[in-house]
Amino acid sequence: DGGITQSPKYLFRKEGQNVTLSCEQNLNHDAMYWYRQDPGQGLRLIYYSQIVNDFQKGDIAEGYSVSREKKESFPLTVTSAQKNPTAFYLCASSIGPSGADNEQFFGPGTRLTVL
Amino acid sequence: AQKVTQAQTEISVVEKEDVTLDCVYETRDTTYYLFWYKQPPSGELVFLIRRNSFDEQNEISGRYSWNFQKSTSSFNFTITASQVVDSAVYFCALLGYSSASKIIFGSGTRLSIRP
Repeated sequence: DGGITQSPKYLFRKEGQNVTLSCEQNLNHDAMYWYRQDPGQGLRLIYYSQIVNDFQKGDIAEGYSVSREKKESFPLTVTSAQKNPTAFYLCASSIGPSGADNEQFFGPGTRLTVL
Repeated sequence: AQKVTQAQTEISVVEKEDVTLDCVYETRDTTYYLFWYKQPPSGELVFLIRRNSFDEQNEISGRYSWNFQKSTSSFNFTITASQVVDSAVYFCALLGYSSASKIIFGSGTRLSIRP
């Protein structure tokens, strides 16, 4: 089945540790995105990538890093520099960034809790 | 600047009632796209509809309908004969042509359908 997978579903981390969230898609989409969602709030863009080996900062990139070495994979690292990392993280992809087919499709999310 | 406003934070109705979720947007782009997403309790965002700025025709899909009015910068979503399964958080979103991949999400409306 085509889709976006994120792992793990729940993640617990000790303060001061880096942690990497996985996002894989088999939709052959060029563009991929990472969002953060805090309780009762909308989505905020962390990073996005329009093509392999290229990515741009979103609105809240501080304390996060990404890589895009393969088309199907866009892992997000939450570093110890992120002051308040406890949140729900959503990965998305789209065929391309603009044009007719630009709706984003989302993975099931990873809920990160810092202990 | 681009902005999406969903003024209704929470709505609660009894099953079988009709309900309308409001969405007002701001953009200076003449070409833009509007979206609605549904986020059930599981957390994954489900794409519902995309509209481009040159297509003001209203759309109906089963019990769902959308009213796009450029004159008032609104893209409202109506559920007819609501069901308990419609309970979710609904997000309206905007992608301006000048914004590359950056979709702007509203803060969401939490819809509760009571049996």
